[in-house]
Amino acid sequence: DTGVSQDPRHKITKRGQNVTFRCDPISEHNRLYWYRQTLGQGPEFLTYFQNEAQLEKSRLLSDRFSAERPKGSFSTLEIQRTEQGDSAMYLCASSSWGETYEQYFGPGTRLTVT
Amino acid sequence: AQKITQTQPGMFVQEKEAVTLDCTYDTSDQSYGLFWYKQPSSGEMIFLIYQGSYDEQNATEGRYSLNFQKARKSANLVISASQLGDSAMYFCAMRDSSGATNKLIFGTGTLLAVQP
Repeated sequence: DTGVSQDPRHKITKRGQNVTFRCDPISEHNRLYWYRQTLGQGPEFLTYFQNEAQLEKSRLLSDRFSAERPKGSFSTLEIQRTEQGDSAMYLCASSSWGETYEQYFGPGTRLTVT
Repeated sequence: AQKITQTQPGMFVQEKEAVTLDCTYDTSDQSYGLFWYKQPSSGEMIFLIYQGSYDEQNATEGRYSLNFQKARKSANLVISASQLGDSAMYFCAMRDSSGATNKLIFGTGTLLAVQP
């Protein structure tokens, strides 16, 4: 059983460019989360999918951000017209139904906007 | 609103000693879950231990134990027999039960350095 994987691990882009990140959850997990972590802070929730349905979006997720989870498998997070303030670690996590709902995280994508 | 507070930005511990990382939480819910995660310099968040609000006993997982004091709203992580590989950021988190997402609310973390 492989864990959560994310691609790419690192991305450097120029301000104004679009970027897309991919997350592959643990195969039997139907719940998928995206978080953003800035330096010196804990992760902050961005959005949540249950199967293919996006059920919650944080107010942190501006109009420039969009996320999808086609067919309830992998997920993508796209940032359009990147800004320097978007520089952060983007973490994906998945979980299944259960008593504790513990979430298993991927290695993250570190985005640097220059 | 639910909140997690970690007041120790950094901690030092000698190898083989025990260390306690503090976490307090704020919630008006009766049912809630508390988690601890480890984040090495590589960036991945590693799940360590879980405590449910109705669990009568403190959670334990190997060298990790959670000192759960419900009345004080604290959920401190105790690491016994520290190892050099324990050096990392440690985050306390609470499951947000206000909706159906069960998203996690994290504290600001504690950086633990284990010294030989």
